[in-house]
Amino acid sequence: GIQVEQSPPDLILQEGANSTLRCNFSDSVNNLQWFHQNPWGQLINLFYIPSGTKQNGRLSATTVATERYSLLYISSSQTTDSGVYFCARQTGANNLFFGTGTRLTVIP
Amino acid sequence: DAGVIQSPRHEVTEMGQEVTLRCKPISGHNSLFWYRQTMMRGLELLIYFNNNVPIDDSGMPEDRFSAKMPNASFSTLKIQPSEPRDSAVYFCASRDSSYNSPLHFGNGTRLTVT
Repeated sequence: GIQVEQSPPDLILQEGANSTLRCNFSDSVNNLQWFHQNPWGQLINLFYIPSGTKQNGRLSATTVATERYSLLYISSSQTTDSGVYFCARQTGANNLFFGTGTRLTVIP
Repeated sequence: DAGVIQSPRHEVTEMGQEVTLRCKPISGHNSLFWYRQTMMRGLELLIYFNNNVPIDDSGMPEDRFSAKMPNASFSTLKIQPSEPRDSAVYFCASRDSSYNSPLHFGNGTRLTVT
């Protein structure tokens, strides 16, 4: 079946540190998205990035579709970055399959 | 834009009762999705609609679950009768499928069945 694997499953950072989250997928991708689920449960769309690199403030993402992985970079982490980060890939049929997430805790 | 709007935010009900969750997608979005999130199974797609038509309901767990989309601005997910194992957060999401565009989620409905 379709596999979306995320690593690490858990990550604890000191405020100000940088981190890289990884998403591996088993098949070709039409669409890949990164989401942040905050401690209140809201799912916030971070990046729509089927290929290439995008940046938004302290966050950036890179997808290498030919090698079937995507990376999410968080620089100068803040306590508000805490939560769970999901990647999700879309099949040709318009469905998004989610990974199991990386739980990030940023300590002041 | 107000984003995807779900109601209620929280629902507590007794086993055997009917539960109806509601969703208003972003205006102009023609695809609507219902997801369920639990600790054990993560985020699972239950059903999605394109242009108000159900396309894939293979994720609907059993016949107790049903979903409708009577028009482009409203969808419901109904559970009848509800069971304690249905307790979860139910998310609605929408996107414009005419070109590749991101999926936008509502704030979810936290359902507790006692």
